[in-house]
Amino acid sequence: EAGVVQSPRYKIIEKKQPVAFWCNPISGHNTLYWYLQNLGQGPELLIRYENEEAVDDSQLPKDRFSAERLKGVDSTLKIQPAELGDSAVYLCASSSGATSTDTQYFGPGTRLTVL
Amino acid sequence: SQQGEEDPQALSIQEGENATMNCSYKTSINNLQWYRQNSGRGLVHLILIRSNEREKHSGRLRVTLDTSKKSSSLLITASRAADTASYFCGHSGAGSYQLTFGKGTKLSVIP
Repeated sequence: EAGVVQSPRYKIIEKKQPVAFWCNPISGHNTLYWYLQNLGQGPELLIRYENEEAVDDSQLPKDRFSAERLKGVDSTLKIQPAELGDSAVYLCASSSGATSTDTQYFGPGTRLTVL
Repeated sequence: SQQGEEDPQALSIQEGENATMNCSYKTSINNLQWYRQNSGRGLVHLILIRSNEREKHSGRLRVTLDTSKKSSSLLITASRAADTASYFCGHSGAGSYQLTFGKGTKLSVIP
């Protein structure tokens, strides 16, 4: 079974430029998460989807971040414009259910560097 | 913001030794989970312990939970070089789906 796929794995951009990250969850997983992981820290939730609906985006900085999950499968996370402080790893995870006991499967992440 | 803390922040041991790392949290929980993250990779789920459980085992892993002290520990027995990774605990409150992670413990197992 294929795991969670993310692309690109690495991205280097200059500040004020836009950037987008893509995630393909495990087949059949209705719940999808985007996390932000700063160096030396644990992941912090940005947004959670159940199918195509964003059921929790309370921690997503909406002035510059946006996300979508069209058709309830793949998802894209966008930053526009990027700031220096956005340099981090962006992790996507998926699970078959929506409760906290449903195991979350993580992708390898996209490491973003903003210059 | 993160509401859990792992201790120690870094741990270096010889292969074959046991490794113990601890996790503390501040709120009431429904369950607590331990994850491993190899360098440059995503997190991998290791074990889940529910709030009404005190101990769970999985292979060389042993997890304990003390809800009165709001703490958990992960013991890795007979460590191997391949156990070198960062270990995170994530906890979830009652009625919440959300996992809140700590800063992790970076474990180095020296061959």
